[in-house]
Amino acid sequence: EVQLVESGGGLVQPGRSLRLSCAASGFTFSDYYMSWIRQAPGKGLEWVANSNQGGGGKFYVDSVKGRFTISRDNAKDSLFLQMDSLRAEDTAIYYCVRERFGWGFDLWGQGTLVAVSS
Amino acid sequence: EIVLTQSPAALSLSPGERATLSCRASQSVGNYLAWYQQKPGQAPRLLIYDASNRATGIPARFSGSGSGTDFTLTISSLEPDDFAVYYCQQRSNWPPYTFGQGTKLEIK
Repeated sequence: EVQLVESGGGLVQPGRSLRLSCAASGFTFSDYYMSWIRQAPGKGLEWVANSNQGGGGKFYVDSVKGRFTISRDNAKDSLFLQMDSLRAEDTAIYYCVRERFGWGFDLWGQGTLVAVSS
Repeated sequence: EIVLTQSPAALSLSPGERATLSCRASQSVGNYLAWYQQKPGQAPRLLIYDASNRATGIPARFSGSGSGTDFTLTISSLEPDDFAVYYCQQRSNWPPYTFGQGTKLEIK
């Protein structure tokens, strides 16, 4: 089955760190750009970061630059998001998402909730 | 950063009616615009890519049109399963990819 499964979310205090993981299955993971997209409670969608197929090209939204790091392990079909110096405004459901070239975000995980609060 | 503005914010219609949702970009995105559907408690689903192409498995009642800065998602005859939130998204100028704020399609 073609799917993405996120893990690693939870409640964390401001200023602390959290690492999200995404396990891909059912497709050739190394063929695709992969993104993290988040959704604050009751709000819209915000693209956070992406990685090219090899992991050498990484891009971020300005609000997380210098705090978040995206990485991937193609041997293990996995995507990661290291989140440091977390803020209350980072509270959101974080989705792992496949980018299909020429299409858009065509495969989404179920999401993992990150809550930043003291 | 390209800003996408969706209208209306909410739309109340009955099953069987036609729905027209709009998305306007702050600068031209060519035809690099996609539409997504999100139901409560679920991840978004890709409906339309490159302004007018239906993604795999998307029913023909969904259609997209437009280019440049003005785009439309049309649902020709609403079914009960179509009531959801719809987002547009551009991939013309990134990073960052940007989304509209969403249109909530409600049952009247």
